Amino acid sequence: AQTVTQSQPEMSVQEAETVTLSCTYDTSENNYYLFWYKQPPSRQMILVIRQEAYKQQNATENRFSVNFQKAAKSFSLKISDSQLGDTAMYFCAFMKDGQNFVFGPGTRLSVLP
Amino acid sequence: DAGVTQSPTHLIKTRGQHVTLRCSPISGHKSVSWYQQVLGQGPQFIFQYYEKEERGRGNFPDRFSARQFPNYSSELNVNALLLGDSALYLCASRTYSGNTEAFFGQGTRLTVV
Repeated sequence: AQTVTQSQPEMSVQEAETVTLSCTYDTSENNYYLFWYKQPPSRQMILVIRQEAYKQQNATENRFSVNFQKAAKSFSLKISDSQLGDTAMYFCAFMKDGQNFVFGPGTRLSVLP
Repeated sequence: DAGVTQSPTHLIKTRGQHVTLRCSPISGHKSVSWYQQVLGQGPQFIFQYYEKEERGRGNFPDRFSARQFPNYSSELNVNALLLGDSALYLCASRTYSGNTEAFFGQGTRLTVV
């Protein structure tokens, strides 16, 4: 069974600064997908970024980028130019071949003015 | 276009009662998945349905059941409620079961007293 670990329960960052959230996972699969989801107080899970394991190039979406290290089974999220609206819970998730998500326990990020 | 809608948004039930939660996927989406998110944890997979058939089941007791209707909406039923069933129940919608792109509803907050 796959597991996802997020070792930082809480983090804070000053507005406009850069922050990196950590995620490690355990799987014996070779083809899979990794995700970062954001859950603001509104509770709705919002996709931040997605990475296909067969792609070596790290995914980027505007201020969000990942550092995907397949051999180390590491998938960190970097948020640049942090904004107050980035305050939320962030979940790292694993998916194999369109099956169900396996989520980590989450990191609560606070962006401070 | 309407997103994934879940109803009700909140409800309170007594131990031993039964509850039905509802989810309407995005128009054109044929796959619905249910997740349980206990406070302070990441979502845990309960069920996936596609084309009205169960395609996956997580590690939940038989008190949990679900179904999908011809219009692709879905119900999650929980019998003999326990205090530990108190959680946010999330519904995720996909075009088909193998698609990795999922959209989440805002969830139903269930409190069992």
